[in-house]
Amino acid sequence: RKEVEQDPGPFNVPEGATVAFNCTYSNSASQSFFWYRQDCRKEPKLLMSVYSSGNEDGRFTAQLNRASQYISLLIRDSKLSDSATYLCVVNDGGNQFYFGTGTSLTVIP
Amino acid sequence: GAVVSQHPSWVICKSGTSVKIECRSLDFQATTMFWYRQFPKQSLMLMATSNEGSKATYEQGVEKDKFLINHASLTLSTLTVTSAHPEDSSFYICSALPGAQHFGDGTRLSIL
Repeated sequence: RKEVEQDPGPFNVPEGATVAFNCTYSNSASQSFFWYRQDCRKEPKLLMSVYSSGNEDGRFTAQLNRASQYISLLIRDSKLSDSATYLCVVNDGGNQFYFGTGTSLTVIP
Repeated sequence: GAVVSQHPSWVICKSGTSVKIECRSLDFQATTMFWYRQFPKQSLMLMATSNEGSKATYEQGVEKDKFLINHASLTLSTLTVTSAHPEDSSFYICSALPGAQHFGDGTRLSIL
């Protein structure tokens, strides 16, 4: 079983739509959780950390469900510029970081 | 804060050449850096964990004699691809802690 699993998509949504991604992790002792976005042929960029209480940054909301071992990312009012691959990353508290394979999002005009 | 710089961003070399890639943490000290490789349309693959002042820890299947890692200071780690061949062509990305991983710009390596 993979440490981190994501639906690869692709998700194709119209501008203005709300879209949600989930990511499940296998290690119940995982400590830190992150969402990154990666544009084509570019490096991943940290979008947001995910906290137990949930956190919001503008149109982006991240949530953590420890009981079910998943994290989610919600994007409201999608923009064309949101088109990218979204990576879920889980840390075990040490130097081990586990990456999902990424979820591809395309926002259509 | 937490800016990571990688150099060069793009390199094209003949087969058999050795290529050195630098990863620098610009505004923080990084005791640990990570080196990844990413092939087109695939996810990041961790190659090794670079620890300042000690030997790197390589992932299974990564040849340590082929991919030499040196982390001589708290702000610099280097990856040298020795005697590179076309199959080594890839996107190489470094990252550094603290907290989350902060990625360098990546190096696109093309071996002819």
